[in-house]
Amino acid sequence: ETGVTQTPRHLVMGMTNKKSLKCEQHLGHNAMYWYKQSAKKPLELMFVYNFKEQTENNSVPSRFSPECPNSSHLFLHLHTLQPEDSALYLCASSPGGPSGGSNEQYFGPGTRLTVT
Amino acid sequence: GENVEQHPSTLSVQEGDSAVIKCTYSDSASNYFPWYKQELGKGPQLIIDIRSNVGEKKDQRIAVTLNKTAKHFSLHITETQPEDSAVYFCAASSNFGNEKLTFGTGTRLTIIP
Repeated sequence: ETGVTQTPRHLVMGMTNKKSLKCEQHLGHNAMYWYKQSAKKPLELMFVYNFKEQTENNSVPSRFSPECPNSSHLFLHLHTLQPEDSALYLCASSPGGPSGGSNEQYFGPGTRLTVT
Repeated sequence: GENVEQHPSTLSVQEGDSAVIKCTYSDSASNYFPWYKQELGKGPQLIIDIRSNVGEKKDQRIAVTLNKTAKHFSLHITETQPEDSAVYFCAASSNFGNEKLTFGTGTRLTIIP
């Protein structure tokens, strides 16, 4: 595998379900991101991790819970979602580093989430 | 915080002609400006970027120009081909080392054969 991979690619869940999205990067990067992409809206940054530490939480509701066990893996745990949470969830990575480093971000293919 | 505006929202161009997409940004401290291409069913792909120490960068048929005084930057695609059809996003980052990118709202480019 190369680049940034995400699983599953499609997910349908009810409002009472609990599910998790997974992201893995094979680029040797240190920073990872979750974005939400909705129709006719700019990409919305949700969370940033740099060297496994969360450096950004963009006022995301607590029903979204990120986890970054190491610099290569990122999870987004979902519970009691609302229909308006239906969107494409994109993971990205960048070189990152203790002083930030390069901003070049590389995206995975996304998980298309539908909340019923 | 940073605000990025992108125009037009849709653009149709005859195959072989050029396409230009423009973005403006608000934070004069921004110093990194990438462009992404997103095809149907895929994530955004970084296609070219420019940093504030240069005014223009070119890679084959695509080029990006930056005007720091006016706070705008543009993507130019020459000799367009059907495979250039996609949604294009511009973005800006206000601090080197700050991992946040602020994105524009996207331009849907359609190449007419």
